[in-house]
Amino acid sequence: DAGITQSPRYKITETGRQVTLMCHQTWSHSYMFWYRQDLGHGLRLIYYSAAADITDKGEVPDGYVVSRSKTENFPLTLESATRSQTSVYFCASALDRRNTIYFGEGSWLTVV
Amino acid sequence: GENVEQHPSTLSVQEGDSAVIKCTYSDSASNYFPWYKQELGKGPQLIIDIRSNVGEKKDQRIAVTLNKTAKHFSLHITETQPEDSAVYFCAASRDNQGGKLIFGQGTELSVKP
Repeated sequence: DAGITQSPRYKITETGRQVTLMCHQTWSHSYMFWYRQDLGHGLRLIYYSAAADITDKGEVPDGYVVSRSKTENFPLTLESATRSQTSVYFCASALDRRNTIYFGEGSWLTVV
Repeated sequence: GENVEQHPSTLSVQEGDSAVIKCTYSDSASNYFPWYKQELGKGPQLIIDIRSNVGEKKDQRIAVTLNKTAKHFSLHITETQPEDSAVYFCAASRDNQGGKLIFGQGTELSVKP
């Protein structure tokens, strides 16, 4: 049971570069989420998706782009990375809006 | 917007003692309150949750209480063990917002043998 797989797990990139974090889930969950985790801020929602081709902004969406062409994949793209986007990114999924949200293992991103 | 405050930020207890972590929320329409445990280098894992139609829920050594009037909920861990050491997050959400969770800032629990 693979669950949620995030890749890459660790990445260092330069300011201004485009970066894509991948998220794949094997549960056929309808809902998928991207959170970022920063010291002192807990986890904050970036974007979420209720189904394929349906996405919506969360608390901190600026500088990020998402897509969901297939139910199982939910990539997060930083179009032009900035140092303030150095963070740990967590992908998550849920069967529906009333069910438990399960998190992946995280992607550590450093922007230099 | 919705806000969740969590206290304390750090908590140190002796093995066998109880630990209590408290959260308050601002949105009175919130109706789902999960607690997550996060070990170093890993993603958060759900340990217990409660819905607004219930005042208390227990699972072995872990319990959660909810006071809707005061808009606060608490996590209680009894007979703590060293493996309980981790960061704990509370969260709140409304069903009609697609299950989006608003998290507290986290509590780093240290259980000393």
